[in-house]
Amino acid sequence: GQQLNQSPQSMFIQEGEDVSMNCTSSSIFNTWLWYKQDPGEGPVLLIALYKAGELTSNGRLTAQFGITRKDSFLNISASIPSDVGIYFCAGHDYQLIWGAGTKLIIKP
Amino acid sequence: DSGVTQTPKHLITATGQRVTLRCSPRSGDLSVYWYQQSLDQGLQFLIQYYNGEERAKGNILERFSAQQFPDLHSELNLSSLELGDSALYFCASSVGANTGELFFGEGSRLTVL
Repeated sequence: GQQLNQSPQSMFIQEGEDVSMNCTSSSIFNTWLWYKQDPGEGPVLLIALYKAGELTSNGRLTAQFGITRKDSFLNISASIPSDVGIYFCAGHDYQLIWGAGTKLIIKP
Repeated sequence: DSGVTQTPKHLITATGQRVTLRCSPRSGDLSVYWYQQSLDQGLQFLIQYYNGEERAKGNILERFSAQQFPDLHSELNLSSLELGDSALYFCASSVGANTGELFFGEGSRLTVL
């Protein structure tokens, strides 16, 4: 079946640092989405991308839909403590396929 | 608050038992999805209902079943429980049947002892 490769698996960063994570697939998708899951909560949609090459921002978050339609990345600028959590990418055509998640941890 | 309500929030039971998890979707949403998340694992899609009908099936065990009622709430039934069924079970909802934009509940944490 379809699979998404999300990397890195986890990141230890200092507050204030920029963060970058990505997802790749062997299949093309019509939509790429990024979700965030806070500890003990359900995932929340951060950004949805609908067009190849599209670059979309949501505050300090920026995501891009790769022009091959097989990848997407998410950047977080100037990280703050509340950015900790698990970030999931997901690709959608007729079904929704999820990445394994990137766990963001801020070093004290 | 996503508008998706799941009950119970926590459930502890024994192996071999049966439990029912309940989900009320956001007002106006016709699709309901069930996901399983084991400790430090990703999201495993179980099943989707749209307007009362099963629309898509993922890796749902035969011991598990679900349904969506006319008022659009959904129940996930887990039977003959095993230790490995301990997990967070999430319900999500969406307006349409074919979208990636889901709204998740806070989950039901099941512990099987």
